[in-house]
Amino acid sequence: QVQLVESGGGVVQPGRSLRLSCAASGFIFSNYGIHWVRQAPGKGLEWVAFISYDGSNKYYADSVMGRFIISRDNSKNTLYLQMNTLRTEDTAIYYCAKGGQEWNVWGQGTMVTVSS
Amino acid sequence: EIVMTQSPATLSVSPGERATLSCRASQSVSSNLAWYQQKPGQAPRLLVYGASTRATGIPARFSGSGSGTEFTLTISSLQSEDFALYYCQQYNNWPPWTFGQGTKVEIK
Repeated sequence: QVQLVESGGGVVQPGRSLRLSCAASGFIFSNYGIHWVRQAPGKGLEWVAFISYDGSNKYYADSVMGRFIISRDNSKNTLYLQMNTLRTEDTAIYYCAKGGQEWNVWGQGTMVTVSS
Repeated sequence: EIVMTQSPATLSVSPGERATLSCRASQSVSSNLAWYQQKPGQAPRLLVYGASTRATGIPARFSGSGSGTEFTLTISSLQSEDFALYYCQQYNNWPPWTFGQGTKVEIK
């Protein structure tokens, strides 16, 4: 079935790096842009980054610009989020979501905790 | 950046009653507005896109309306499974894509 599965979350110290992955199945991954969205504990949804279907266009929230890098490997049907210089305020569940007019496919999320 | 403001923050409703959730955009987003439902421990679920088009598999008791800066999600007769958090999101002017802060629908 159509699904996205995130992985790579964990506990990391401030200033360190972490790479998240999002594996897609059940649809033609290379046809769709994909978003990363995060949700801090007890808070609302915050859009983080977007990459176009072919990787040629990338956009970032101001809060992560210059620290996070979104990328994709269409041969592996996988999306990535390289998170550098992590801050405590980056602590959140990170979701990937299929783009387009209908964000109708979301992963289950992966938890990232930034703490010393 | 377009700011999305939802009201009320919490809505207390009895099962079987009607619930009306509001979302306001800081500038026009045309009809490029979506609504999501989120339950504890789960990912958001798309309910409505294009302001008024129900997503696949969404019951007819959910309806969206509005355009420009004022939008409404109506749940015509609340079922037990509808008690959850609801978010609106604009995708007209991006980046960034922006969400409202959410409305919690709780049992009265």
